[in-house]
Amino acid sequence: GNSVTQMEGPVTLSEEAFLTINCTYTATGYPSLFWYVQYPGEGLQLLLKATKADDKGSNKGFEATYRKETTSFHLEKGSVQVSDSAVYFCALSAGFQKLVFGTGTRLLVSP
Amino acid sequence: SAVISQKPSRDICQRGTSLTIQCQVDSQVTMMFWYRQQPGQSLTLIATANQGSEATYESGFVIDKFPISRPNLTFSTLTVSNMSPEDSSIYLCSVEPRGMSPGTGPWMAGPNTEAFFGQGTRLTVV
Repeated sequence: GNSVTQMEGPVTLSEEAFLTINCTYTATGYPSLFWYVQYPGEGLQLLLKATKADDKGSNKGFEATYRKETTSFHLEKGSVQVSDSAVYFCALSAGFQKLVFGTGTRLLVSP
Repeated sequence: SAVISQKPSRDICQRGTSLTIQCQVDSQVTMMFWYRQQPGQSLTLIATANQGSEATYESGFVIDKFPISRPNLTFSTLTVSNMSPEDSSIYLCSVEPRGMSPGTGPWMAGPNTEAFFGQGTRLTVV
């Protein structure tokens, strides 16, 4: 079945540091890939998405590229801010099948 | 996009009582979905709320514990019954492309677009 593997956290960084959160997936067919963000006390918000191989999703300085050859969708940001502190979920959607979420990675950014 | 209003946003409840969580969507959707997020964990699908029929529950979840109503195409409720401290979680409702016919609703572009979530209900059972 479909699955998502995400690096464990917490990831602790200083402000302006470079961020990478790894995500790999297993799926049949051609899934869409997503990163959702959950700020403290809130629900999930879509951060970015990519619907086909080699697509790059980007939003708020975050980027992720859909790599079919490595089945990966790593999240990156060149310079994190304190306000980026949140839990990040990698997710997969394959047509009309269930959404599959990774376990979430907590990011803590200190001033 | 779809806007989902979920309430209450949080509650503290006594064990043995029940809490009903409401979810209102700004567009008509065929299926709505309820998730549980236990502390420090990812999301687990509880059930799919179908308009006009009984909800479909995932393995490990039962209707007596989590009754669901779906009176119309824009609204659903989830009740957490006879609560215990183990039910302390965030509960989220969502609308997803698989809950719609292709080319309808917020996903005119097709099924491989994003899901939309309510703000979540943070439940603490004491």
